[in-house]
Amino acid sequence: GAGVSQSPSNKVTEKGKDVELRCDPISGHTALYWYRQRLGQGLEFLIYFQGNSAPDKSGLPSDRFSAERTGESVSTLTIQRTQQEDSAVYLCASSTTSWGYTFGSGTRLTVV
Amino acid sequence: SQQGEEDPQALSIQEGENATMNCSYKTSINNLQWYRQNSGRGLVHLILIRSNEREKHSGRLRVTLDTSKKSSSLLITASRAADTASYFCATDATGTYKYIFGTGTRLKVLA
Repeated sequence: GAGVSQSPSNKVTEKGKDVELRCDPISGHTALYWYRQRLGQGLEFLIYFQGNSAPDKSGLPSDRFSAERTGESVSTLTIQRTQQEDSAVYLCASSTTSWGYTFGSGTRLTVV
Repeated sequence: SQQGEEDPQALSIQEGENATMNCSYKTSINNLQWYRQNSGRGLVHLILIRSNEREKHSGRLRVTLDTSKKSSSLLITASRAADTASYFCATDATGTYKYIFGTGTRLKVLA
């Protein structure tokens, strides 16, 4: 597609439930990133995929968070046993180089 | 910990004035980028400056980089109400491929 697509746009879930967030990067973009942004805060790095290399998971805040990417296509970010502090906008970005990311519109997750 | 920190945290100016935002970072970098975010959702890439560059222009934007001080500034000239947004700097530490974002500057341009 023309841009980075994220789904769902909004997600409300009950505390303790699992959620899965999806990111469709721009075709041909080998790098894919997930960030989290809490209300009024900056972006917090979560995970980085580059081609078939092992992902950089250094930003995942706990073992409840995991992410997968199939080749150079779709990525899913899974949060298990959601907590209220997981409420945030989850942003995905893709790029071909380090010369500028293209961000999706994000998924706003609300844990009630 | 945050790699980049912007200041001021918030800035309010009149339309037509210039807006200057600063970013400081902690480690050696490959590149520094500035992004704009409207309404708390997707970010838009504004400009990238490499570690061996000192200044770069794009339209009404001017970015400077001082690697000795580990700092950058973003200048928006002749601001418009449409420039109202949050502005973030992002750096990729030498030897890495991920960008760490600062905390952002919330700019409000009053018509």
